[in-house]
Amino acid sequence: IVLTQSPATLSLSPGERATLSCRASQSINSYLAWYQQKPGQPPRLLIYETSNRATGVPARFSGSGSGTDFTLTISSLEPEDFAVYYCQQRSNWLTFGGGTKVEIK
Amino acid sequence: QVQLRESGPGLVKPSQTLSLTCTVSGDSISSGGYYWSWIRQHPGKGLEWIGYIYYRGSAYYNPSLKSRATISVDTSKTQFSLRLTSVTAADTAVYYCARVGITIIRGITDWGQGTLVTVSS
Repeated sequence: IVLTQSPATLSLSPGERATLSCRASQSINSYLAWYQQKPGQPPRLLIYETSNRATGVPARFSGSGSGTDFTLTISSLEPEDFAVYYCQQRSNWLTFGGGTKVEIK
Repeated sequence: QVQLRESGPGLVKPSQTLSLTCTVSGDSISSGGYYWSWIRQHPGKGLEWIGYIYYRGSAYYNPSLKSRATISVDTSKTQFSLRLTSVTAADTAVYYCARVGITIIRGITDWGQGTLVTVSS
């Protein structure tokens, strides 16, 4: 299963809303997770099974979608949110999307 | 809280075998409910799943690696390992070991810090 993330780069200002997309090449039910990665660090789990926030993840992060189309929304960007975000599916083996970089405008 | 730590050579020659070990602390590999996984990230690129293993020994691999990867588990030592044969420069990457939730939290809940492996003569 191929996961396609868009856009590749998102240029926004702190306080703005970020909407990241992940599209699967076939239905993956709800087995979609989102990760945040900062330079020199391993990824951090944000969302699992489409819409469940992992422990300690702020409420400004939310996930939605079903089937083949999924979205990660950051309601109001904080300075620490500028990073690369990956989606990942586990419906058929395990694959990652190519990532979306959220950068400061 | 579980911690994972990768160890192994940082430099491997082409055609040789890459061997890495992940040491788990703070939880037992035998507790069930998780797959123990290897994931890599090529420099400046995205993430690639290599494979994972259940504590009872069942292992699953990314088909793209064409049988070059083997993951094993040693529950007595709370370690699991990766062997990748016939390496080339394309295998140069940061290698992460990670814990993948199967039941309650179905995501990659814990990661090691990663170790850079360079394939070069």
